[in-house]
Amino acid sequence: NAGVTQTPKFRILKIGQSMTLQCAQDMNHNYMYWYRQDPGMGLKLIYYSVGAGITDKGEVPNGYNVSRSTTEDFPLRLELAAPSQTSVYFCASSYASAGQGAVYEQYFGPGTRLTVT
Amino acid sequence: AQKITQTQPGMFVQEKEAVTLDCTYDTSDQSYGLFWYKQPSSGEIIFLIYQGSYDEQNATEGRYSLNFQKARKSANLVISASQLGDSAMYFCAMGTSGTYKYIFGTGTRLKVLA
Repeated sequence: NAGVTQTPKFRILKIGQSMTLQCAQDMNHNYMYWYRQDPGMGLKLIYYSVGAGITDKGEVPNGYNVSRSTTEDFPLRLELAAPSQTSVYFCASSYASAGQGAVYEQYFGPGTRLTVT
Repeated sequence: AQKITQTQPGMFVQEKEAVTLDCTYDTSDQSYGLFWYKQPSSGEIIFLIYQGSYDEQNATEGRYSLNFQKARKSANLVISASQLGDSAMYFCAMGTSGTYKYIFGTGTRLKVLA
């Protein structure tokens, strides 16, 4: 299994440009997440999805959009990039057994380092 | 509101010694999980250990153990016999049943000295 994969690894954007960060997982996980990590900081949740067709906002959703048309893929769209979106973006997934009260570890992709200038 | 607090921005430990990384949490949920992740300088994020809120025994995974004190709302990570490869950033995180959202602490950077 490849686990969680992300593309691209690095990207430089000009202010106002748009791009899509790709994320895919092959573990058949229902739950997927997008985080950003600013230098020296922890992870902040941007968006998450509990299954195909279902997404919800996290802590810092402004300036981003997501979609989840399949279990495997969870792309993150940046519209009108701003310098404040310079960060490392991590995608993660986890197994969820709804209604059973369990909480499972997350598996992370390798990250995408984005610079907006 | 849910919160994770890691009060040690940086720690040093001598090789082969044990070290404890602190984590306190706050939640009103009864069912939750506590996690520790390692982030080496290469950037990837690696799951280390998990403790469920109803688990009575402290979790252990090889040289990692989680000192879970529910009444104090603390979930400290203990690394025994530190190795140079343990030098990394360590994050404590919490997830709650039902929402499946996770929150992360700000991390502790550990440096193991030879």
